[in-house]
Amino acid sequence: DAKTTQPTSMDCAEGRAANLPCNHSTISGNEYVYWYRQIHSQGPQYIIHGLKNNETNEMASLIITEDRKSSTLILPHATLRDTAVYYCIVQDPGNQFYFGTGTSLTVIP
Amino acid sequence: GAVVSQHPSWVICKSGTSVKIECRSLDFQATTMFWYRQFPKQSLMLMATSNEGSKATYEQGVEKDKFLINHASLTLSTLTVTSAHPEDSSFYICSADPRQGRTSYTFGSGTRLTVV
Repeated sequence: DAKTTQPTSMDCAEGRAANLPCNHSTISGNEYVYWYRQIHSQGPQYIIHGLKNNETNEMASLIITEDRKSSTLILPHATLRDTAVYYCIVQDPGNQFYFGTGTSLTVIP
Repeated sequence: GAVVSQHPSWVICKSGTSVKIECRSLDFQATTMFWYRQFPKQSLMLMATSNEGSKATYEQGVEKDKFLINHASLTLSTLTVTSAHPEDSSFYICSADPRQGRTSYTFGSGTRLTVV
């Protein structure tokens, strides 16, 4: 079962930073937090993942709280093409990914 | 790298027939692949874990005799929906674990199944 909770939907103005929160209060010490996004009728696309430290790549930044019970995905300069459903996933010890409901992000012109 | 190809992209079949969906890892070997189902406006639901050379592990509530999974090689897993019914119409997605130093799973582009 999914171990994460996310807001159902969010809006963000084009060019502004999009901050997507995720709660994972039952996460275990060696479980990673992954973020994927899904554009309509496509397969999920990997964005970023992390364990304890904050991470940054060409797509986004991931901020994980010190107690690891929550995290925030940051898209620094949202574009219209970033409109998608964003999933925060805690990898199951059996290495499966259980998807929660995700956050539907709409970037507004 | 780490590309997963799914075929077909979409398929329409008659009720009662069977449909096979292929999931291929193009540039890596995958001992483990995963099959998901997604209904409109819903999230992805894990159906089963496909293991190369052994039986698949099905999630609770998923009928193994209806959704046959075969993972006969390190680059191919197939999902066969047997005796399909309209309620099986859905978006089916596979993913694979590239391992080999990578820690993210790669997803296929999905297969839209419509049973009429």
